[in-house]
Amino acid sequence: AQSVAQPEDQVNVAEGNPLTVKCTYSVSGNPYLFWYVQYPNRGLQFLLKYITGDNLVKGSYGFEAEFNKSQTSFHLKKPSALVSDSALYFCAVRDDGAGSYQLTFGKGTKLSVIP
Amino acid sequence: GAGVSQTPSNKVTEKGKYVELRCDPISGHTALYWYRQSLGQGPEFLIYFQGTGAADDSGLPNDRFFAVRPEGSVSTLKIQRTERGDSAVYLCASSLTATDPQPQHFGDGTRLSIL
Repeated sequence: AQSVAQPEDQVNVAEGNPLTVKCTYSVSGNPYLFWYVQYPNRGLQFLLKYITGDNLVKGSYGFEAEFNKSQTSFHLKKPSALVSDSALYFCAVRDDGAGSYQLTFGKGTKLSVIP
Repeated sequence: GAGVSQTPSNKVTEKGKYVELRCDPISGHTALYWYRQSLGQGPEFLIYFQGTGAADDSGLPNDRFFAVRPEGSVSTLKIQRTERGDSAVYLCASSLTATDPQPQHFGDGTRLSIL
């Protein structure tokens, strides 16, 4: 079975400071990992994905994520936070060995960037 | 518009009624997914289609839930004898294919409220 954990319900960061939103995963095969952002009353917007290759993945709006196989983590990062980054962030995983193509999402982390 | 379109955006109905939720995927996307998002949770997988066929319906909670995609484009999620516990946001997503780990692109969802 595939699963995702986002250990922090909320992350607060001052504008201009670096931010990190944590994600760990569990799969039986190899992971395909995704980050999505959700604004109020909207669907999820894709930020970035890790499939294979370079462990540091760059995505939209200046976000990046680092894949760490030994720690089974895929933390989302940004060097300098903006107030407009305040939103709900979801990590998701798909197990390439599972024979199904569904994504399993974490519970989400609310990011608040304080001016 | 080029995105995934879901209608209605909001649906309020009484317990025991039948509801249909519609999803119009991005043109050319062969894979279509339905998820359900309860308050404070991440999306939970319900069913996915590759073309016209339901390739994985393992997430449907019971036989009151059914989905179709007769022409391989628009999909309808149908819920019979609705219960208050069915209240949630129902999200639809589409991707170019399912087999490749393409990002899933989400609509804004239908907020279903069962009174």
